[in-house]
Amino acid sequence: AIRITQSPSSLSASTGDRVTITCRASQGISSYLAWYQQKPGKAPKLLIYAASTLQSGVPSRFSGSGSGTDFTLTISCLQSEDFATYYCQQYYSYPFTFGPGTKVDIK
Amino acid sequence: EVQLVESGGGLVQPGGSLRLSCAASGFTFSSYSMNWVRQAPGKGLEWVSYISSSSSTIYYADSVKGRFTISRDNAKNSLYLQMNSLRDEDTAVYYCATREGIFDYWGQGTLVTVSS
Repeated sequence: AIRITQSPSSLSASTGDRVTITCRASQGISSYLAWYQQKPGKAPKLLIYAASTLQSGVPSRFSGSGSGTDFTLTISCLQSEDFATYYCQQYYSYPFTFGPGTKVDIK
Repeated sequence: EVQLVESGGGLVQPGGSLRLSCAASGFTFSSYSMNWVRQAPGKGLEWVSYISSSSSTIYYADSVKGRFTISRDNAKNSLYLQMNSLRDEDTAVYYCATREGIFDYWGQGTLVTVSS
């Protein structure tokens, strides 16, 4: 199975900050990577797929980049509603695997 | 509006069985592949199983292979997960989610607790 790592595991930030989360796959996955946001007690929400394609309805302050093994999720100007846990997920091959998550909380 | 509503969770003893259901509405269910994804309390997400729109292709995570069975009834717009030989480590919120690979719609989840 393809292993996915994320860094950092958590970060503290303030509203208005630029936040970057990194995801690394144990082998090349082309651009078959998605990012999800999850708030406590809620289901995950798809933010980005194909590494950099914004899901419909997702604010443009979210962006994704990368291909192969290294990927990045950037939130350009953190808003209060963005405090959550973020997961990356590869869908290059079964079993589809998720990263361990990055918790973004208030500084 | 796409809606996915899971049901069937609850408390079960180790070695027991449970059948989860996911009722779909707001889209053409028979055209979409579906998945089960779970999340243990305080932990991350784990993909569990996939079924194609016609049920012709099915995949399982190694952790559940041989114990869980995914199925669907397109006439009833419903997805199922039959879980047998349950273990403590199967305790989790189980979500159904649409599509292959890119999980664009999710249900609210149903909690399965395996404990004696």
